[in-house]
Amino acid sequence: NAGVTQTPKFQVLKTGQSMTLQCAQDMNHEYMSWYRQDPGMGLRLIHYSVGAGITDQGEVPNGYNVSRSTTEDFPLRLLSAAPSQTSVYFCASKERDNYGYTFGSGTRLTVV
Amino acid sequence: AQKITQTQPGMFVQEKEAVTLDCTYDTSDQSYGLFWYKQPSSGEMIFLIYQGSYDEQNATEGRYSLNFQKARKSANLVISASQLGDSAMYFCAMRVGGVSGGSYIPTFGRGTSLIVHP
Repeated sequence: NAGVTQTPKFQVLKTGQSMTLQCAQDMNHEYMSWYRQDPGMGLRLIHYSVGAGITDQGEVPNGYNVSRSTTEDFPLRLLSAAPSQTSVYFCASKERDNYGYTFGSGTRLTVV
Repeated sequence: AQKITQTQPGMFVQEKEAVTLDCTYDTSDQSYGLFWYKQPSSGEMIFLIYQGSYDEQNATEGRYSLNFQKARKSANLVISASQLGDSAMYFCAMRVGGVSGGSYIPTFGRGTSLIVHP
């Protein structure tokens, strides 16, 4: 049981490049979320999903896309990277009838 | 919309003493839940404690307790007998709605940095 796995752990992108941050969980959790963490800002919600095929926007969705084709995977796509997207990205998941979110170890992204 | 406020950017405490980290929240929902997470320098997010809005007793988990004052809309974290390993960022978070309903997606505060001195 690996929990929530995020890949890669570190990434450097050039402005304008696109990439996908991967998130996978093996706990059969229905709910999954993506957050970004910036100094002094706490964690801000980007997108979330309440089940396969269902996604919705959070507080800061611009510049990001998500899809949820399976229960296990919830990838986050950066369409055209900008320096403002330099951040640490966390993926989290939880069971439907449980309050506790389990977090991945994070992806540190730098856009130059 | 819900809001979480942590007014203490940084806190210092002597080892073995107790410390209280403040958290206030704002929501018009009657059903909500409050969380505290710890983030050590290694970066992972560690769940500490949870309090539901209908729970009459304050939640406790080992050395952690949540001082829940509903009328004041506060959910302070109390760490007893601080240890050097408690040095970390601490985040308060809230979700509104029932466990299986509502927005159920936590909103986080900006965090408090705790440093424990030997």
